[in-house]
Amino acid sequence: SQTIHQWPATLVQPVGSPLSLECTVEGTSNPNLYWYRQAAGRGLQLLFYSVGIGQISSEVPQNLSASRPQDRQFILSSKKLLLSDSGFYLCAWGPGGSSYNEQFFGPGTRLTVL
Amino acid sequence: AQSVTQLGSHVSVSEGALVLLRCNYSSSVPPYLFWYVQYPNQGLQLLLKYTSAATLVKGINGFEAEFKKSETSFHLTKPSAHMSDAAEYFCAVRNSGGSNYKLTFGKGTLLTVNP
Repeated sequence: SQTIHQWPATLVQPVGSPLSLECTVEGTSNPNLYWYRQAAGRGLQLLFYSVGIGQISSEVPQNLSASRPQDRQFILSSKKLLLSDSGFYLCAWGPGGSSYNEQFFGPGTRLTVL
Repeated sequence: AQSVTQLGSHVSVSEGALVLLRCNYSSSVPPYLFWYVQYPNQGLQLLLKYTSAATLVKGINGFEAEFKKSETSFHLTKPSAHMSDAAEYFCAVRNSGGSNYKLTFGKGTLLTVNP
């Protein structure tokens, strides 16, 4: 069966510091991968998605970036965090080539920027 | 473009009562629809999905949803609420065309279950 991991689970970072969040998927190959952010009371915001290694689509221009160095690894980064980057970050995967494109979510990372 | 509207950001029911969470969608093509549940400080869990095979879809934890094309609705129901059902619920529709890798989510409905 497939599993998705995210780490760290929680993170407290000062403004201006760098960020690296990692997501890995097991038990599948060539998945679609997604990064979402949930800010308090604001629902789910899609940040990036990837349909293959090295292929990244950005949904929202901001100081975040994403990379997919391996088939089942998706990394969210920032060079300098802002207060507004605080939130709950969710990674998700979907079966590559699926007609339905359902997505399966990881446990999330709670980021607090102080 | 696709969109999803969840009526009621907060629904409160008594334990044992019917749960009804409303979702209306807009889609230019036959939709694929999903319901997710999110417990506090956890990721989203897929409850059920509609993929045009049957209009009444049964999911996990006793939930089901009925696709009604004439009403463009996909409401989520459970006959008898349990305390463990307290969570936030999200309806989603698959995008069409070149962006069909993506889902469009509603803003969510927070379900409270009172003893």
